Amino acid sequence: DQQVKQNSPSLSVQEGRISILNCDYTNSMFDYFLWYKKYPAEGPTFLISISSIKDKNEDGRFTVFLNKSAKHLSLHIVPSQPGDSAVYFCAASGSASKLTFGTGTRLQVTL
Amino acid sequence: GAVVSQHPSRVICKSGTSVKIECRSLDFQATTMFWYRQFPKQSLMLMATSNEGSKATYEQGVEKDKFLINHASLTLSTLTVTSAHPEDSSFYICSARVSRRNTEAFFGQGTRLTVV
Repeated sequence: DQQVKQNSPSLSVQEGRISILNCDYTNSMFDYFLWYKKYPAEGPTFLISISSIKDKNEDGRFTVFLNKSAKHLSLHIVPSQPGDSAVYFCAASGSASKLTFGTGTRLQVTL
Repeated sequence: GAVVSQHPSRVICKSGTSVKIECRSLDFQATTMFWYRQFPKQSLMLMATSNEGSKATYEQGVEKDKFLINHASLTLSTLTVTSAHPEDSSFYICSARVSRRNTEAFFGQGTRLTVV
């Protein structure tokens, strides 16, 4: 049972444009959401997070939006840079504090 | 951010042998560490939660006798894959939590295990 889903396995965006990565979840008990970036053969790197009491959190080029009623969150990267090319995982946690990860979206930023 | 070091980054072993993977928090004390496994093109699956000084909590379907976890100190947790089989070949990643807030969870570099 995949409680956190990233329905787009891959995304290609031109440099300078906006990258939008989407994530859906099914467990209404999740109250904290995170985005991680991962390069091959490396561990994930934390990018940005959002609590369920907020609907937006911004950090530089990265903005995460949360729509609780739709159980949907998205990560916006603008402007996209070639170095952003990686696999992005969304993760969610509830009272148990364990992270449940999505299946990842591979972002390719082209020149 | 905080640094988590995982060693080795890559290991090849023969079927039937055991392999130990170390996870160290270098500049902070981690009361809780997590061990994940990632299959190719799949998500990170939590295997177990390791608490310093107590037994690890394993996720459903994870064999605790096969994946031995020891969290002997606040900076070190180890995962030992016992009697390894080719199907245990995978990418294993640890993470450590600085505080109770999940945003403080930092990941090691991962270990690519290949069992031949």
